Amino acid sequence: GAVVSQHPSWVICKSGTSVKIECRSLDFQATTMFWYRQFPKQSLMLMATSNEGSKATYEQGVEKDKFLINHASLTLSTLTVTSAHPEDSSFYICSLNRGLAGVFLGTDTQYFGPGTRLTVL
Amino acid sequence: ILNVEQSPQSLHVQEGDSTNFTCSFPSSNFYALHWYRWETAKSPEALFVMTLNGDEKKKGRISATLNTKEGYSYLYIKGSQPEDSATYLCAFAGTASKLTFGTGTRLQVTL
Repeated sequence: GAVVSQHPSWVICKSGTSVKIECRSLDFQATTMFWYRQFPKQSLMLMATSNEGSKATYEQGVEKDKFLINHASLTLSTLTVTSAHPEDSSFYICSLNRGLAGVFLGTDTQYFGPGTRLTVL
Repeated sequence: ILNVEQSPQSLHVQEGDSTNFTCSFPSSNFYALHWYRWETAKSPEALFVMTLNGDEKKKGRISATLNTKEGYSYLYIKGSQPEDSATYLCAFAGTASKLTFGTGTRLQVTL
């Protein structure tokens, strides 16, 4: 498997501030990481795919200027929620792919962090 | 938008009971079906990746079956134990090379 950590596990911030969430791969160098969010009673929704050394690929409807993703090394990807508003309050969770291809194939297992609960007041 | 549905939404069983959940997914453009187990405050843990129609996988007391032609998978837990309490997620991988998750089935096993 793979061990993935996230920091912080929860954060409360004021509206208008920016929040950075870190996702670390502790035992594997991950070319590809994924960021999901989950609103109450909904499913995990993919926000973006983060590729080391290149720009992230965002899903339709996700604002790239609001959710800044930086995958600067093979063990760290960060998600920054800029100018957070109450509607950004959600559970954010990252995962990484250990596939040999360096990109996610449908049969690859994704290894998840424990998630970050963001509350914007 | 792909539709991946899980039922029931939640389930409450007693220790020793056997139980099963359903995951429904699109029957077209199928690549793989994943099952994850997610305990509160922990990371989702991969259980199975299934690819072939008629496939059956087993891990201890947990097993899963797959029907890609009709678009469903069943997850079975035999002799449920309190430590089986978790949310069980299924995720569909189509040709888009990403996972689309269901909302999960929350299982609670009591003594």
